[in-house]
Amino acid sequence: NAGVMQNPRHLVRRRGQEARLRCSPMKGHSHVYWYRQLPEEGLKFMVYLQKENIIDESGMPKERFSAEFPKEGPSILRIQQVVRGDSAAYFCASSPFQREDEQYFGPGTRLTVT
Amino acid sequence: KQEVTQIPAALSVPEGENLVLNCSFTDSAIYNLQWFRQDPGKGLTSLLLIQSSQREQTSGRLNASLDKSSGRSTLYIAASQPGDSATYLCAVRLYSGGGADGLTFGKGTHLIIQP
Repeated sequence: NAGVMQNPRHLVRRRGQEARLRCSPMKGHSHVYWYRQLPEEGLKFMVYLQKENIIDESGMPKERFSAEFPKEGPSILRIQQVVRGDSAAYFCASSPFQREDEQYFGPGTRLTVT
Repeated sequence: KQEVTQIPAALSVPEGENLVLNCSFTDSAIYNLQWFRQDPGKGLTSLLLIQSSQREQTSGRLNASLDKSSGRSTLYIAASQPGDSATYLCAVRLYSGGGADGLTFGKGTHLIIQP
């Protein structure tokens, strides 16, 4: 059973460009979470999704950030018009149906904005 | 708002020692608590998950305890090895409220085991 997969592992974007980060959950997992780890800071929850549904986006910045988890394919975290402050490691996690279940993390995407 | 604090921020000990990492949280209404390790430039590896109704969990040389009423958890590592060197993260999942579906993380304890 493959783990949580994220790609790309490293992404470089110039200021003003768009960044698309992809996450494929573990097989059988229908819940996806996105987290951001800024330099010298802890991991912060951004958004929680189920297939075709955003359940909790209370940690998402109000502008430029969006997330989706379509019926088919990976979950996508999209950052429009990136700025230097968006440079961070973005982690995706997945879990099975039950809310109390363990979250399994992917290797992360390291975004650098130049 | 839930806050998670980990002490110490960094720890360096000789190989073979037993050690304890501490985690405290401000809101005791949690679903569960998870301990992770993170190697430099890598993702998170889940070590132990303790449900709110449990007091402790064990896996190999690792033992984690949970005292929900006092808002504390400890991770005990027995007979430490150089391969245990990593950053250890504590995270809690709230029972309800905004952001409850996500984990709230501490900033971690950076552990170095000297050969």
